[in-house]
Amino acid sequence: QKEVEQNSGPLSVPEGAIASLNCTYSDRVSQSFFWYRQYSGKSPELIMSIYSNGDKEDGRFTAQLNKASQYVSLLIRDSQPSDSATYLCAVKIGTNAGKSTFGDGTTLTVKP
Amino acid sequence: EAGVAQSPRYKIIEKRQSVAFWCNPISGHATLYWYQQILGQGPKLLIQFQNNGVVDDSQLPKDRFSAERLKGVDSTLKIQPAKLEDSAVYLCASSFGATNEKLFFGSGTQLSVL
Repeated sequence: QKEVEQNSGPLSVPEGAIASLNCTYSDRVSQSFFWYRQYSGKSPELIMSIYSNGDKEDGRFTAQLNKASQYVSLLIRDSQPSDSATYLCAVKIGTNAGKSTFGDGTTLTVKP
Repeated sequence: EAGVAQSPRYKIIEKRQSVAFWCNPISGHATLYWYQQILGQGPKLLIQFQNNGVVDDSQLPKDRFSAERLKGVDSTLKIQPAKLEDSAVYLCASSFGATNEKLFFGSGTQLSVL
């Protein structure tokens, strides 16, 4: 079992719809959770971080964390074609200082 | 604020040759990471430095890969000799601290081993 698993995708949604991206992790002592966006041929850039159970909203993005279920998700409301990218879930595993383990990403396409 | 600088942007070599990548983190960032990203996969941590000390190199293939961070600032990653399976993008990232910190990535070096 991989430490961080994401829906393999690809995920396609129409413009204006809600895109839902999911991630599960294996290590129960994980403390910090991140969503990175990676455009084709570019480097990852952080879009959300979440550390406590519940929801965290930032503009059109909402991160949801459920530590009991070892599950973290990212919702993108009012999806735009510019949101088309690969979304990487990263989890700080255990107590290793700063070591973030990445999933393989879910590719999202938003169709106009 | 200047971002993470990496060079070269692209490199093509033949198997068994050597190659080196350079990274300069964001000023003031104590933690520096080298990740390997194979096409279609997420970044995989190769080595993490805190200042000029190694925090984690458990996934670094030490028979062929080496990395150093002299003076706790810029860093070099070397592969010698290269194998076909080393073809990937090598990403350097930095963070201010080591815990609960977001990563800032450089533009990466795309390595092709022929």
